[in-house]
Amino acid sequence: DAGVIQSPRHEVTEMGQEVTLRCKPISGHDYLFWYRQTMMRGLELLIYFNNNVPIDDSGMPEDRFSAKMPNASFSTLKIQPSEPRDSAVYFCASSLRTASRSETQYFGPGTRLLVL
Amino acid sequence: AQTVTQSQPEMSVQEAETVTLSCTYDTSESDYYLFWYKQPPSRQMILVIRQEAYKQQNATENRFSVNFQKAAKSFSLKISDSQLGDAAMYFCAYRELISNFGNEKLTFGTGTRLTIIP
Repeated sequence: DAGVIQSPRHEVTEMGQEVTLRCKPISGHDYLFWYRQTMMRGLELLIYFNNNVPIDDSGMPEDRFSAKMPNASFSTLKIQPSEPRDSAVYFCASSLRTASRSETQYFGPGTRLLVL
Repeated sequence: AQTVTQSQPEMSVQEAETVTLSCTYDTSESDYYLFWYKQPPSRQMILVIRQEAYKQQNATENRFSVNFQKAAKSFSLKISDSQLGDAAMYFCAYRELISNFGNEKLTFGTGTRLTIIP
């Protein structure tokens, strides 16, 4: 399996611009997660989906952030407008629920975002 | 709320030696999952090992093993025969056992940076 795929791997943009991060989960997985990693706050969950439906978006920092999952094989995280404090590594992860238990989350390689 | 604490920001070990990374957590749940993830300089998050709280036997994966002390809420990672490729940030993580659509959220510790001395 190709694993979780994220694009782009690196993104440099100017403050005020729109940024779109993309994720393709592992085929067959029914959960998808977006995390953000910064030095100050560590790893924090932004939002997660189950069967393409957002379940918990309480970690989304503010209205500038939005996430969608139009189908089982694709999700986007959008920041509009971007600000320097959004600079971070953004990870996508996916997992599969089997029977009554959910399995391990597998992470993508991350997108390193720098907002100037 | 669940919290995960890694009290060792940095650790170092001589190549081929054994090192133990500490993790404690706080929860009122009786069943849950615990994980150790490794993050090398490439920034990829890689699962190292996983433990289900209802299992009394400590998980092992080749050179990696855990010491799970449920009553003490402690979950340490032991790396035997350390190799240069083990150098990375190591994160301890907690997740509740799901029920229905349960809580899938992974709560991470702040990480321990492990250096391997040749």
